[in-house]
Amino acid sequence: QVQLQESGPGLVKPSQTLSLTCTVSGGSISSNGYYWSWIRQHPGKGLEWIGYIYYSGSTYYNPSLKSLVTISIDTSKNQFSLKLTSVTAADTAVYYCARVSGATIHYWGQGTLVTVSS
Amino acid sequence: QSALTQPASVSGSPGQSITISCTGTSTDVGGYKYVSWYQQHPGKAPKLMIFDVSYRPSGVSHRFSGSKSGNTASLTISGLQAEDEADYHCSSYAGRNTLVFGTGTKVTVL
Repeated sequence: QVQLQESGPGLVKPSQTLSLTCTVSGGSISSNGYYWSWIRQHPGKGLEWIGYIYYSGSTYYNPSLKSLVTISIDTSKNQFSLKLTSVTAADTAVYYCARVSGATIHYWGQGTLVTVSS
Repeated sequence: QSALTQPASVSGSPGQSITISCTGTSTDVGGYKYVSWYQQHPGKAPKLMIFDVSYRPSGVSHRFSGSKSGNTASLTISGLQAEDEADYHCSSYAGRNTLVFGTGTKVTVL
């Protein structure tokens, strides 16, 4: 059973960079056919797809966030990461990592709340 | 890339059927057979209920069904139960290796 776990600071100051890591267990991050994704949910709102990465390193981003987002992968550690630059209060959200197959998310992390505040 | 449109809330009595709509455009919902539905209870991660428009993952109740017509996808919950009270989110492939989610719907069991 694949499990994903987000980790990283729960509080980030405005204008700084938000950095999160997702550790995958129960399966290899290098498996064919899976994309590793970041999704966020603003308080009381719907889900927002941020982007995903393939084990080869190919990345795909939400066009509205593309200039601010970098997703990377470390196959040796079975981890992938998110960096979101120049954050504002509007980036306060629960951030989920997930495994995507086709266009379907079968596995989700539990989510981590990141608050942007000085 | 705009969010797919869902009703903010839908309610029904136990045993009834309800349907949640998810409206997009020809570049997402209408253009592909890749619509998924997720159930989310408060404070929990979303759970996959329907994928590829109408397929149920193993373990998901047959009371949940999905369909699509044109640019609108739908999730129907039959025989509504108290445990079905949750938020429901649709998503669709939107071309060029991108995904888009819906605005989310709160289901209340009266």
